[in-house]
Amino acid sequence: GQSLEQPSEVTAVEGAIVQINCTYQTSGFYGLSWYQQHDGGAPTFLSYNGLDGLEETGRFSSFLSRSDSYGYLLLQELQMKDSASYFCAVSNSGYSTLTFGKGTMLLVSP
Amino acid sequence: DGGITQSPKYLFRKEGQNVTLSCEQNLNHDAMYWYRQDPGQGLRLIYYSQIVNDFQKGDIAEGYSVSREKKESFPLTVTSAQKNPTAFYLCASSIYGTDNYGYTFGSGTRLTVV
Repeated sequence: GQSLEQPSEVTAVEGAIVQINCTYQTSGFYGLSWYQQHDGGAPTFLSYNGLDGLEETGRFSSFLSRSDSYGYLLLQELQMKDSASYFCAVSNSGYSTLTFGKGTMLLVSP
Repeated sequence: DGGITQSPKYLFRKEGQNVTLSCEQNLNHDAMYWYRQDPGQGLRLIYYSQIVNDFQKGDIAEGYSVSREKKESFPLTVTSAQKNPTAFYLCASSIYGTDNYGYTFGSGTRLTVV
């Protein structure tokens, strides 16, 4: 089976940097993805890590350590619009489905 | 513009009724998925299809059925056998064989049993 752990809630202020961690246990591992979901909306794809290291996309970066079964999403220069739920998801092959964590609600305050 | 369309946005079902949720995509994606989301929970996989006329059960398939007669369409039927159907249902599609581009999700259908 597969299981993912991420914090249920994180709070931060505008302009700050926040890191959302994700640890996973899987029978096989192919890659780690991150999704953002605003309340009641569609999840949107943010990033994918198939190899160890840091991937940067604008204000968002994602990191993976396969040896530690660990990854994180780093959000910089936080804005109010970043208040949302963030989900990590793992796959055990490029031809498999994604298993999602329970999500981290990020609350950004002024 | 390409995307995924789910309808209806809100759906109310009486006890003992079957209801069908629509999902259509024009992204030319081979793979399509149905996930269920409950408050404070992650997304749980109901069914998925990687090719037309073929589909596989996910983790919580009991009480649900699907069909994949066309590449663009993947409707989900919530049957009366599903004991707790009230939830937010999300349809997604992807390029089969890679995670690099992620899943594209529809806006969801919120189903309530009355």
